[in-house]
Amino acid sequence: EDKVVQSPLSLVVHEGDTVTLNCSYEVTNFRSLLWYKQEKKAPTFLFMLTSSGIEKKSGRLSSILDKKELFSILNITATQTGDSAIYLCAVEAGGSNYKLTFGKGTLLTVNP
Amino acid sequence: NAGVTQTPKFQVLKTGQSMTLQCAQDMNHEYMSWYRQDPGMGLRLIHYSVGAGITDQGEVPNGYNVSRSTTEDFPLRLLSAAPSQTSVYFCASSRRGLSGNTIYFGEGSWLTVV
Repeated sequence: EDKVVQSPLSLVVHEGDTVTLNCSYEVTNFRSLLWYKQEKKAPTFLFMLTSSGIEKKSGRLSSILDKKELFSILNITATQTGDSAIYLCAVEAGGSNYKLTFGKGTLLTVNP
Repeated sequence: NAGVTQTPKFQVLKTGQSMTLQCAQDMNHEYMSWYRQDPGMGLRLIHYSVGAGITDQGEVPNGYNVSRSTTEDFPLRLLSAAPSQTSVYFCASSRRGLSGNTIYFGEGSWLTVV
């Protein structure tokens, strides 16, 4: 059975702090790992990672994948209150059918 | 450019009632799926489809039915609603890419079963 584990489950920081969110996985026929940000509504796409060791960056957010150790991290530098959200990690398993397995998410709260 | 459209947005059902959550996408995506999200549980896959006429079960399929008669539509049917089906439901669609799929989500349907 495919499994995705995120840690920590919740995190409270102050504005300006740097945070690291973790995602480890065990899936059959790994295809890609995706990070999403979810506020009140639907998850919004952040990154898709398929290759080990290549960092993806978007502003203050960055992410990297380690396919040997089966994990990914999402870094957010100089956090702002607008970064408060649930961050979801999902892994896409390949084979004949494609489907996403999600972790439980990390609830990030950034206080002013 | 509508993307993924879900209806209704909010629904209250009585135990034992049946209903259908509608999902439509206008991006000609092969893949469509339904997830439910409960507090602290992330998103869990209910059913998915890799093309018209093809559906399969996900992680939590019991109590739900789906069909995919067209590429655009993927309705989710609750056969006999139970309080345990109170949840937020997300429909998603994606196109098969060379290095993975970018998943597009609908806005969500908040369902309460009393």
